[in-house]
Amino acid sequence: DTGVSQDPRHKITKRGQNVTFRCDPISEHNRLYWYRQTLGQGPEFLTYFQNEAQLEKSRLLSDRFSAERPKGSFSTLEIQRTEQGDSAMYLCASSLAQGEAETQYFGPGTRLLVL
Amino acid sequence: SQKIEQNSEALNIQEGKTATLTCNYTNYSPAYLQWYRQDPGRGPVFLLLIRENEKEKRKERLKVTFDTTLKQSLFHITASQPADSATYLCALDTGGFKTIFGAGTRLFVKA
Repeated sequence: DTGVSQDPRHKITKRGQNVTFRCDPISEHNRLYWYRQTLGQGPEFLTYFQNEAQLEKSRLLSDRFSAERPKGSFSTLEIQRTEQGDSAMYLCASSLAQGEAETQYFGPGTRLLVL
Repeated sequence: SQKIEQNSEALNIQEGKTATLTCNYTNYSPAYLQWYRQDPGRGPVFLLLIRENEKEKRKERLKVTFDTTLKQSLFHITASQPADSATYLCALDTGGFKTIFGAGTRLFVKA
């Protein structure tokens, strides 16, 4: 399967712990996005990479969140000192920049529960 | 403020009927609009994209309209089937590589 993959699929952690999620995009895609989704809501934009450059971050993304895409391929999202409010589904998507319109392909998500 | 609104109430329809879902937005001027399907516990799956200069787009049993004057998109599924039951998300491009999603509408198709 050559779709977007995410690891782990589920994570349970205690408040105050750090967690790191990984996303492997579709191999030829140069753009990568992270979203957060809570129950009953649509995906909420967190950050975006073009190749290895992080070009945009949501103002909602606190300093406890950091994302990297070191070689322009896979990406990691780290949450430090987790809080119960961080419990959500974290979605990664990738796309290939082709003109002004692009389709994002989503991974299955990582579901985080902070106790 | 900028808003995307989709029917928060679930839509229940009988198999074979046409489902119509609504997406309204305010204070955006999107270059294009997309519809995604999302099943429980899974990531969204792209269905259709419509540009601001297009009135209508079709794909098999799906049809999307885009009225930039009304700031509204309608998403239709004709001859609906129980397998069409899912949450459908409307998404707007804001021109800055950031896509804004609506909260989605849950569709239930009864056999």
